[in-house]
Amino acid sequence: EVQLLESGGGLVQPGGSLRLSCAASGFTFSSYAMSWVRQAPGKGLEWVSTITASGANTYYADSVKARFTISRDNSKNTMYLQMNSLRAEDTAVYYCASPINGWAYFDFRGQATLVTVSS
Amino acid sequence: EIVLTQSPGTLSLSPGERATLSCRASQSVSSNYLAWYQQKPGQAPRLLIYGASSRATGIPDRFSGSASGTDFTLTISRLEPEDFAVYYCQHYGSSRWTFGQGTKVEIK
Repeated sequence: EVQLLESGGGLVQPGGSLRLSCAASGFTFSSYAMSWVRQAPGKGLEWVSTITASGANTYYADSVKARFTISRDNSKNTMYLQMNSLRAEDTAVYYCASPINGWAYFDFRGQATLVTVSS
Repeated sequence: EIVLTQSPGTLSLSPGERATLSCRASQSVSSNYLAWYQQKPGQAPRLLIYGASSRATGIPDRFSGSASGTDFTLTISRLEPEDFAVYYCQHYGSSRWTFGQGTKVEIK
């Protein structure tokens, strides 16, 4: 069974940094692209970033480009999201997602981690 | 940049009724990469429909999707109590993933 465990969220001041982790199990992690999707409190879903299976290619939403960095360690079955220069509008729950029915779609199997940016 | 606009914002219906949710793309998109998700309070989203009209594994056949040009529709033929939730459409194209703003289906 696919399992995704997000961690690393918390309270951080504007301008600060945080690193999220997503530990995966139940599938061949190194064979699949992985993504981060976030949801601000009471708001809709927003795609944040995607990394290919090898890690060679990364993609970002314009709202986080140049501030966030996605990476992965296939030896540890773990994906990361380094978030720098955080803003109040980055406050959200962050979901880790694996692909389903091709890499165009998301499979959310974790409980998400909450990031709060506030002074 | 493709924008997905969902309507209505809220749909108030009774169990057993038919729900019709709309998702309109700002420009021509491939229906091969259009999906619908269901999200209940406090839960992660769940994939319902992909490729505009294919049901994901385990999704009941009361859920169906269709496409016409830039207009996509999710239909729930007869609402069950567990179907009251928020629904999002989502598109993939050119290494970008986009969600609509969501439609809430609430009990009337």
